[in-house]
Amino acid sequence: QQPVQSPQAVILREGEDAVINCSSSKALYSVHWYRQKHGEAPVFLMILLKGGEQKGHDKISASFNEKKQQSSLYLTASQLSYSGTYFCGTAGNAGGTSYGKLTFGQGTILTVHP
Amino acid sequence: DGGITQSPKYLFRKEGQNVTLSCEQNLNHDAMYWYRQDPGQGLRLIYYSQIVNDFQKGDIAEGYSVSREKKESFPLTVTSAQKNPTAFYLCASSIRDGDTEAFFGQGTRLTVV
Repeated sequence: QQPVQSPQAVILREGEDAVINCSSSKALYSVHWYRQKHGEAPVFLMILLKGGEQKGHDKISASFNEKKQQSSLYLTASQLSYSGTYFCGTAGNAGGTSYGKLTFGQGTILTVHP
Repeated sequence: DGGITQSPKYLFRKEGQNVTLSCEQNLNHDAMYWYRQDPGQGLRLIYYSQIVNDFQKGDIAEGYSVSREKKESFPLTVTSAQKNPTAFYLCASSIRDGDTEAFFGQGTRLTVV
């Protein structure tokens, strides 16, 4: 079962912030975040493992709340290069039936205008 | 250079024909995955493999088949039983399951006419 992302689309002006959410109905072992430009392969942004961790690089960061089975991606002071479709991917716990099964959400289209 | 290669980039087939999409990686990764991408539906998992000679069905396996006879290769066959085969297909690999970065190939756009 795919994780659910929200919102489906976001339109920003350069310099504005955005939050993309990802939730799952199943227990999670890890959450991945990727960005895909049109016609290209998805590119890895970061991965968070269970333990409530938060990660970030540059102006993009993410949090993972394993109890709520949710993750959020935070984009601050957006740049034109941030435009693309963002996907969260989730993998289940070791020993569970979904372990090793990397499943992605339906994507959030982010458009940054000058 | 290490990477994951899908071929061909574009593929056209007549309805009713089976077609095999190639996916090769030289990253020495154990896990490999096949996804289908349709507009508005994100990446849907077709099959995944955690180790050579073993693979599991994903969420939309019907009409597809795979093999994993070698660590570096994970070909996907789209059979005539797949009702809507026209789509963008992405292959990915990772060192191991779930907790490591997945690397994606450039994809194969399959059009069935």
